[in-house]
Amino acid sequence: QKEVEQNSGPLSVPEGAIASLNCTYSDRGSQSFFWYRQYSGKSPELIMSIYSNGDKEDGRFTAQLNKASQYVSLLIRDSQPSDSATYLCAVASNTGKLIFGQGTTLQVKP
Amino acid sequence: NAGVMQNPRHLVRRRGQEARLRCSPMKGHSHVYWYRQLPEEGLKFMVYLQKENIIDESGMPKERFSAEFPKEGPSILRIQQVVRGDSAAYFCASSQGAANEKLFFGSGTQLSVL
Repeated sequence: QKEVEQNSGPLSVPEGAIASLNCTYSDRGSQSFFWYRQYSGKSPELIMSIYSNGDKEDGRFTAQLNKASQYVSLLIRDSQPSDSATYLCAVASNTGKLIFGQGTTLQVKP
Repeated sequence: NAGVMQNPRHLVRRRGQEARLRCSPMKGHSHVYWYRQLPEEGLKFMVYLQKENIIDESGMPKERFSAEFPKEGPSILRIQQVVRGDSAAYFCASSQGAANEKLFFGSGTQLSVL
């Protein structure tokens, strides 16, 4: 079992729709969770961090965490073509390193 | 506003040569992480360092790869006797503190082995 798992996609949504990206992790002791966005040929950039169960909203982005189910998700409302990218879920280990999933490619079609 | 600086952006080496990748963390950051990314794949952790200390090297291949973060100067990822399978994008990231801190990434070094 991979430590952090994501569906590689591609996930295709029409412009203006809600995109839902999902991630599961194996280490029940993990406490910190992050979503990064990576455009093709570029470096990852941090979008959201979440540490407590529940929802955390930032503009059009909402991160959701359920530690009991070991599940993290990212919702993007009013999706725009500029949101088309690969979204990486990352989980902090007990040594401090971040473990990344393989990423989900999102395509937002005009 | 200097972010994480990596150089070179592109590095071409022939098989058997050495590759040296450099990373200067953001100002005020003392924790450095190296990741490798192959095309269409996620980021694979390699090593986590603080000044003069290796904290976690569980992702480093046992041979040919080494990393350091000296008291003065940038962090260096060194690959000896490169092979074609070493071709990848190598990303450096830094954070202000340890464990659970947000990472900020450099632009990466694309290593091509001929």
